[in-house]
Amino acid sequence: EVQLVESGGGLIQPGGSLRLSCAASGFSVTNSYMSWVRQAPGKGLEWVSIIYSGGNTYYAYSVKGRFTISRDNSENTIYLQMKSLRAEDTAVYFCARARDILAGFDTWGQGTLVTVSS
Amino acid sequence: DIQMTQSPSTLSATVGDRVTITCRASQSIGALLAWYQQKPGKAPKLLIYKASSLESGVPSRFSGSGSGTEFTLTISSLQPDDFATYYCQQYNSYWTFGQGTKVEIQ
Repeated sequence: EVQLVESGGGLIQPGGSLRLSCAASGFSVTNSYMSWVRQAPGKGLEWVSIIYSGGNTYYAYSVKGRFTISRDNSENTIYLQMKSLRAEDTAVYFCARARDILAGFDTWGQGTLVTVSS
Repeated sequence: DIQMTQSPSTLSATVGDRVTITCRASQSIGALLAWYQQKPGKAPKLLIYKASSLESGVPSRFSGSGSGTEFTLTISSLQPDDFATYYCQQYNSYWTFGQGTKVEIQ
């Protein structure tokens, strides 16, 4: 069964750092396009970052320079390192997979909540 | 950046209704558009990709159409399980979601 499980969310003070993890099973992250999408409380979906199967990475303007996406092939896991966190980064962060770059995000995790507050 | 605008923001309907949601892109995106369904507290679910391709396992009452800048998601006969929020997403240039359309019980 294809599955994604996020972890690492929590309460963090403004300016702090946090690393989210997304453990994949049932497929290889190296053969897929792995992304992070977030949703602020009561708001819509916002794409955050993606790592291609070839290793290229891309970021939304709102997080560029502060967030870093990476993967551990041996652990079949994706990470999102977040630094200089702001109140507006408060959201549920979903990990998502695109099996094909032309096919949309076909598999999603359950999400992990990040709350940035003093 | 490509902006995606959905209409309406909220739609009231009853079981059995034919429902249409529109999504407009600020510039041409070809057919690189997906539709998702999201229920409260849950992750989004892919319904349609490449504007009109039905994702495996999704009921055939869902269909998508359009190209360029104007797209539609149609539910041919609304079922109780379909009351949810629907999002379009372009992936021609990076990835952008529409603001969502909530389908509620009339």
